[in-house]
Amino acid sequence: DIQMTQSPSSLSASVGDRVTITCRASQTISSFLNWYQQKSGTAPKLLIYAASSLQSGVPSRFSGSGSGTDFTLTISSLQPEDFATYFCQQSYSTPLTFGPGTKVDI
Amino acid sequence: QVQLQESGPGLVKPSETLSLTCIVSGGSISSSYWSWIRQPPGKGLEWIGYLYYSERTIYNPSLKSRVTISGDTSKNQFSLKLSSVTAADTAAYYCARDGDTALGYFDYWGQGILVTVSS
Repeated sequence: DIQMTQSPSSLSASVGDRVTITCRASQTISSFLNWYQQKSGTAPKLLIYAASSLQSGVPSRFSGSGSGTDFTLTISSLQPEDFATYFCQQSYSTPLTFGPGTKVDI
Repeated sequence: QVQLQESGPGLVKPSETLSLTCIVSGGSISSSYWSWIRQPPGKGLEWIGYLYYSERTIYNPSLKSRVTISGDTSKNQFSLKLSSVTAADTAAYYCARDGDTALGYFDYWGQGILVTVSS
């Protein structure tokens, strides 16, 4: 199985901050990396797919980059509605696996 | 707009079989891949497996011996059965659609259903 790690596991930030979350795969996954946002008690929401493609309807302040084993999710200017937990997911091979999550709070 | 809705019992006894159904609207289970994903309270996400072409399946090896995913095209729904459950199977269970079978991302999710394993 491909293991996914994320850093940091949590972070505190303020509205307007630039936030960067890192995801690392245990082996190369090309660009088969997706990012999700999850708010308490709700299903995850797709933000970024194929490492850097913005899902329809997602604000442009979200961006993704990387390939191979190292990936980044960036929020250019944090908004109040962005306080949530963020997960990466590899889709290079089954079993599909997720990172442990990064909680972004105030 | 694709919509998914999970249904099933919220409480299952240890050693019994957990059974859930996902009703799909706005899309056909005959196309795309359809997954089950679970999340224990306060923890991360675990992919259970998926159904594709209405009847073919791929399972997570960690659960493969206990999992069955099946589809009913007449009702446009697919189901999850997980046998011999223990407290470790307590989780929110989500059904989700693979938005692009070549890229493997989940673009539509059900709201989730919390299943507690307890006597």
